[in-house]
Amino acid sequence: QKEVEQNSGPLSVPEGAIASLNCTYSDRGSQSFFWYRQYSGKSPELIMFIYSNGDKEDGRFTAQLNKASQYVSLLIRDSQPSDSATYLCAVVRNQGAQKLVFGQGTRLTINP
Amino acid sequence: DGGITQSPKYLFRKEGQNVTLSCEQNLNHDAMYWYRQDPGQGLRLIYYSQIVNDFQKGDIAEGYSVSREKKESFPLTVTSAQKNPTAFYLCASRRTSGTTDTQYFGPGTRLTVL
Repeated sequence: QKEVEQNSGPLSVPEGAIASLNCTYSDRGSQSFFWYRQYSGKSPELIMFIYSNGDKEDGRFTAQLNKASQYVSLLIRDSQPSDSATYLCAVVRNQGAQKLVFGQGTRLTINP
Repeated sequence: DGGITQSPKYLFRKEGQNVTLSCEQNLNHDAMYWYRQDPGQGLRLIYYSQIVNDFQKGDIAEGYSVSREKKESFPLTVTSAQKNPTAFYLCASRRTSGTTDTQYFGPGTRLTVL
């Protein structure tokens, strides 16, 4: 079992709809979770982080964390073509050193 | 203008050669990291350093070496012992501020072995 798992996609969503990206992790002791956006050929860009159970909203983005079920999700409201990218989920394995473990990423395409 | 810089952007290496990738940051961050990304994959941790003159192996350190002589700099050497070095290499630094603790990435170096 991989430490962090994501559906690689591609996930296709019409413009203006809600895109939902999911991530599961295996280490029940994990405390910090991140979502990065990566455009083709570019480096990852941090878009959300979440530490506590529940929802965290930032503009059109909402991160949801459920530690009991060991999943974290990212919702993108009012999806725009510029949201088309690969979304990487990352989980901290060692809190002190902040060693990140990444999923393989979900490729999202927003169709105009 | 603060940030993380990596050079070169593209690097070509012949088999059997060692190459060094540069990573510099002027953000005054203590911790720095090197990751490798293969096509269609997530990132994997190569080495990390939490403080000057100290560094630790990550998950895939074999065939790589690092140094951390200055806070601003964390170069990565890809040695001839690395069997499959063609990849996208990403350097990150860690920002700890109040309740937030996050990593930010440089633009990356794309290494190709000819």
